[in-house]
Amino acid sequence: NAGVMQNPRHLVRRRGQEARLRCSPMKGHSHVYWYRQLPEEGLKFMVYLQKENIIDESGMPKERFSAEFPKEGPSILRIQQVVRGDSAAYFCASSAAGERSPLHFGNGTRLTVT
Amino acid sequence: GQQVMQIPQYQHVQEGEDFTTYCNSSTTLSNIQWYKQRPGGHPVFLIQLVKSGEVKKQKRLTFQFGEAKKNSSLHITATQTTDVGTYFCAGYGGSQGNLIFGKGTKLSVKP
Repeated sequence: NAGVMQNPRHLVRRRGQEARLRCSPMKGHSHVYWYRQLPEEGLKFMVYLQKENIIDESGMPKERFSAEFPKEGPSILRIQQVVRGDSAAYFCASSAAGERSPLHFGNGTRLTVT
Repeated sequence: GQQVMQIPQYQHVQEGEDFTTYCNSSTTLSNIQWYKQRPGGHPVFLIQLVKSGEVKKQKRLTFQFGEAKKNSSLHITATQTTDVGTYFCAGYGGSQGNLIFGKGTKLSVKP
């Protein structure tokens, strides 16, 4: 019974490159959340998606960041033209029923921008 | 927008001592969730509180939800080294369903 799968675990990108982070939710879960965490800090909400729909993207930077959760395949968080300030751990979480349901987190992707 | 605040930010205790972290929301919450993140790990769901004044226990951990549903606490009795990690509270913001996390309390336990 696989949990939330994120890949890659570690990603190194040079400034200006693109970063693609993938997340496969738990089996049976159709709600996906992305959070960003800086060292020694809390979890900052970025975006909440259901299949083919963005429900809430109030935490996403207006530029360079985008997210999708297609009908088939994993959810993707895409960061274009990365800058050093994008270096962080990005966690994906899924839930069965959305609001008021516990979140199950993946192991995260540690993005380092050089 | 909604804010969830946690104190203290850090807590260092001797093994066997008790530990408490407090969580306050700027708005009334429908429920509150608690998560634990071990160093280098990912957040793991601990518990959810829904009712006003609710108290739940998990072994040495006691969780409370305030009467006004705007605050909560987690108390650990007789801490052990396995309790080390960061404890987060989280509540749902607005009507969209995004879970807002507090900044967490980082617990270290000296053996």
